[in-house]
Amino acid sequence: GEDVEQSLFLSVREGDSSVINCTYTDSSSTYLYWYKQEPGAGLQLLTYIFSNMDMKQDQRLTVLLNKKDKHLSLRIADTQTGDSAIYFCAESIGGNNDMRFGAGTRLTVKP
Amino acid sequence: DGGITQSPKYLFRKEGQNVTLSCEQNLNHDAMYWYRQDPGQGLRLIYYSQIVNDFQKGDIAEGYSVSREKKESFPLTVTSAQKNPTAFYLCASSAWGDTEAFFGQGTRLTVV
Repeated sequence: GEDVEQSLFLSVREGDSSVINCTYTDSSSTYLYWYKQEPGAGLQLLTYIFSNMDMKQDQRLTVLLNKKDKHLSLRIADTQTGDSAIYFCAESIGGNNDMRFGAGTRLTVKP
Repeated sequence: DGGITQSPKYLFRKEGQNVTLSCEQNLNHDAMYWYRQDPGQGLRLIYYSQIVNDFQKGDIAEGYSVSREKKESFPLTVTSAQKNPTAFYLCASSAWGDTEAFFGQGTRLTVV
């Protein structure tokens, strides 16, 4: 497809794991990113993965990459209310000027 | 504190008027970018600049203009030619060749 695709909404209970999925567009993409946007704020880079990796773990965050299916996922363990935000998936081939963003997944964490 | 600052946070414009959004960074980054965010859509690149006095069109440059007279500053002008300017505008910067882009807090522009 032409667009980076994400589900628009996800709701989980506090303490559960959240999994946010993304399908990207270009098999040549070298970098895959996850950004977090809190209400009324700019984007904050959470993590990124190189295309030659299958998995990257960083504390509560686990990124899985399936290059064959062009599928990227972000798992947040022990989700907290402070994790409520919009999460953007993005891809780029080489530089920040060619980044393509998904529409964002709004994660709501219920107590 | 180092960072990237956008101002104002909220901006209202009458139809037919030009308006300029400010973006300043003190991170000593060479590259700066402007994105537009619309509800239910991903960010779209308007313009970017990799060096002072040089800038390139992004995917949706029509109706916008930029300048890069100083390394620290990359103002975006939304002209009256932009048919649907109401949106959230995000500025970002990065070091040359770096994978991480730092974003400002955004400016919400509303045309009234």
